[in-house]
Amino acid sequence: EAQVTQNPRYLITVTGKKLTVTCSQNMNHEYMSWYRQDPGLGLRQIYYSMNVEVTDKGDVPEGYKVSRKEKRNFPLILESPSPNQTSLYFCASRAGGLFTDTQYFGPGTRLTVL
Amino acid sequence: ELKVEQNPLFLSMQEGKNYTIYCNYSTTSDRLYWYRQDPGKSLESLFVLLSNGAVKQEGRLMASLDTKARLSTLHITAAVHDLSATYFCAVDVGSGTYKYIFGTGTRLKVLA
Repeated sequence: EAQVTQNPRYLITVTGKKLTVTCSQNMNHEYMSWYRQDPGLGLRQIYYSMNVEVTDKGDVPEGYKVSRKEKRNFPLILESPSPNQTSLYFCASRAGGLFTDTQYFGPGTRLTVL
Repeated sequence: ELKVEQNPLFLSMQEGKNYTIYCNYSTTSDRLYWYRQDPGKSLESLFVLLSNGAVKQEGRLMASLDTKARLSTLHITAAVHDLSATYFCAVDVGSGTYKYIFGTGTRLKVLA
């Protein structure tokens, strides 16, 4: 089954404790992205990657890191989480090319930083 | 600043009625997307509009794109309860890059 998976689905942590949220897709997609969703703000893009070792900042990259060492994986790293990073996080992927624009989203990770 | 604005933010309508959700954006882009999100769930792609004048329909939903007016509409025909969800539009700001700006969403509630 074609899918984007994220782990963990729920996470409660404390300020300053480094964490990683994993994202994996099994569709051989070139493009992957991380978003955060906050009430009243819609989705905001954090980082995106257009292929292995190619990443770029989205709208709200501060406080986050990413890496793309393999095509299928795109982990999101919070080196020193703060309470304002409490949010619902989505990973997404899509195939490359100008006419294959459908984005597939993972199930989401709800992060609470105390 | 690049902005994507949706109207209305909240919509409560009766079954069988028609209504339109509007998505205005401030950047020059000819690629616009519509997504649906059910409560507590992830996002599902509804429509991909890739050129001026593009129109796509799926069941009771029809989406269109006017790039000159920087406006997309999502029209709901004869609404049914199952259409209750939050609808987002998003714009590709980089003409084929993967940099997207989302609207804040329209929460639709269809009353039986």
